[in-house]
Amino acid sequence: GNSVTQMEGPVTLSEEAFLTINCTYTATGYPSLFWYVQYPGEGLQLLLKATKADDKGSNKGFEATYRKETTSFHLEKGSVQVSDSAVYFCALSDTLGEGTYKYIFGTGTRLKVLA
Amino acid sequence: SAVISQKPSRDICQRGTSLTIQCQVDSQVTMMFWYRQQPGQSLTLIATANQGSEATYESGFVIDKFPISRPNLTFSTLTVSNMSPEDSSIYLCSVGEQGKFFGPGTRLTVL
Repeated sequence: GNSVTQMEGPVTLSEEAFLTINCTYTATGYPSLFWYVQYPGEGLQLLLKATKADDKGSNKGFEATYRKETTSFHLEKGSVQVSDSAVYFCALSDTLGEGTYKYIFGTGTRLKVLA
Repeated sequence: SAVISQKPSRDICQRGTSLTIQCQVDSQVTMMFWYRQQPGQSLTLIATANQGSEATYESGFVIDKFPISRPNLTFSTLTVSNMSPEDSSIYLCSVGEQGKFFGPGTRLTVL
């Protein structure tokens, strides 16, 4: 079945460091891929998405490229800030037909950015 | 986008009791989804709720334990019945298909 694997956390970085959070997936079809962020005490928010191979999703300085050849969707940011401290979830959605989608989430990676 | 609110935001309950969680959306939506996020784990879909029909439950979840109501296109409730400590989780309401929106969650602790 479909699955999402993301790197274990926590990830601790200094401010302005480069961030990579790895995410790989297994899917039988052609899923869309997402990154969600959960700030402390808040609900999940969609950070970025990519719907087909070679698409790059970007938002708030974060980027991720849909790599079909390596089945990956790694999240990157060139210079992290303390305010980026959160839990990041990689997810995929695959169509079940008739406009219905099934979402599968990774286990989440906690990022802590130190000033 | 959609704005989703949930009540209560958190609760501490005794074993054997039930809790009903409310989810309100600021726009009409066909499908609403209920997820569980157990401590330190990812999100697991509990069920999909369409207005005017019975909810569809995922494997491992049953209506007797997690009854769902969907009385209109902007509102849904999830009840966690006969609770045990293993039900301690964050419960999240969600709408949307490609690019989901989530409510802030209800943090439930069962003693």
